[in-house]
Amino acid sequence: QQPVQSPQAVILREGEDAVINCSSSKALYSVHWYRQKHGEAPVFLMILLKGGEQKGHDKISASFNEKKQQSSLYLTASQLSYSGTYFCGTERDPSGGGADGLTFGKGTHLIIQP
Amino acid sequence: DVKVTQSSRYLVKRTGEKVFLECVQDMDHENMFWYRQDPGLGLRLIYFSYDVKMKEKGDIPEGYSVSREKKERFSLILESASTNQTSMYLCASSRSYEQYFGPGTRLTVT
Repeated sequence: QQPVQSPQAVILREGEDAVINCSSSKALYSVHWYRQKHGEAPVFLMILLKGGEQKGHDKISASFNEKKQQSSLYLTASQLSYSGTYFCGTERDPSGGGADGLTFGKGTHLIIQP
Repeated sequence: DVKVTQSSRYLVKRTGEKVFLECVQDMDHENMFWYRQDPGLGLRLIYFSYDVKMKEKGDIPEGYSVSREKKERFSLILESASTNQTSMYLCASSRSYEQYFGPGTRLTVT
């Protein structure tokens, strides 16, 4: 079952902050975040692991609430380059170490205006 | 620089044709994946492979098959293309948790 992302879309002015949420109906071992710019391939941003470990982007932060099965991506002081569609992904099999692929949410469109 | 390449950026095929989509990675990754991306639906996993000659069904495998004869190459096959398979197809590879995506193939079935 796909994780649910919110909001579906958000428009910001450069320098404003944004929060993108991802929630799942099943227990999560990890949450993965990707960004896709228009006409380009998705690019890995970060992974959040059960227990608090976080790996990835140094200018974007995220949280992972294991009990609520939710994750949030925080984009602070947004830049024009942050525009794109953000996807969260959950591992299909927690024991697979990522080898079994991801189930992605439907995406959140982020538009940053000057 | 890591690289995943796909054989075509755009492809137009007729209903009933057999279609091959090719994906090659140069990173010696064990894991390879095929996703399709449709507006409003996000990316959905079709098939994946964690080793040569191994293949596993993803979330939407119906109407597709795959082949992995060499570690670097993963092919998606539409045995008899249908209009509801018109979509963007993305290939990805990984060694562990980070997936590297190719540029995608936009397939139109008429």
